[in-house]
Amino acid sequence: SQQGEEDPQALSIQEGENATMNCSYKTSINNLQWYRQNSGRGLVHLILIRSNEREKHSGRLRVTLDTSKKSSSLLITASRAADTASYFCATDGGGAQKLVFGQGTRLTINP
Amino acid sequence: EAGVAQSPRYKIIEKRQSVAFWCNPISGHATLYWYQQILGQGPKLLIQFQNNGVVDDSQLPKDRFSAERLKGVDSTLKIQPAKLEDSAVYLCASSLGAGNTIYFGEGSWLTVV
Repeated sequence: SQQGEEDPQALSIQEGENATMNCSYKTSINNLQWYRQNSGRGLVHLILIRSNEREKHSGRLRVTLDTSKKSSSLLITASRAADTASYFCATDGGGAQKLVFGQGTRLTINP
Repeated sequence: EAGVAQSPRYKIIEKRQSVAFWCNPISGHATLYWYQQILGQGPKLLIQFQNNGVVDDSQLPKDRFSAERLKGVDSTLKIQPAKLEDSAVYLCASSLGAGNTIYFGEGSWLTVV
């Protein structure tokens, strides 16, 4: 069963704009991880945010986590054509560390 | 540092045939995962190993799928006999353990015709 639910399912923006993707989940978590997947490729890890953290940055990426609302967001600033990909959130509920993925957001950056 | 290695990258087989996928995790990673990703969906966990022991195989269709990690390093996922609905990408991943980043390989793309 899927734990995370990404929103929107698809997003199309102009190069240079910011892109925001949201993820909601149902049960308590130890951490939440965001991944990127280019067409025909494997998953590339972007950021891991722990349950006691509220915000993390990595380059043009900013991730927030609100455990009271069971939600997370991924912001990509100053988007580039190379950011075109599917983005997935995955929750780690602890214990044996099993990542449960959502359906993903398909992001298209138009030049 | 070498990443998670998988082979073959692509495989086309007829239904009822068998197929095997191989995975070599990142050196030192005790935890190894096999995920199935159907086109347009998120990955779904099939099986999780801790060293050479199975931690979770609750979503593995055991009538046709099997996996092993005999020496606690490499792993093999086998499908026999394959069905049309097994067409998917099979992703191997590994991590140091609980609370750490999970790294994925490029995947093995299976088409069953």
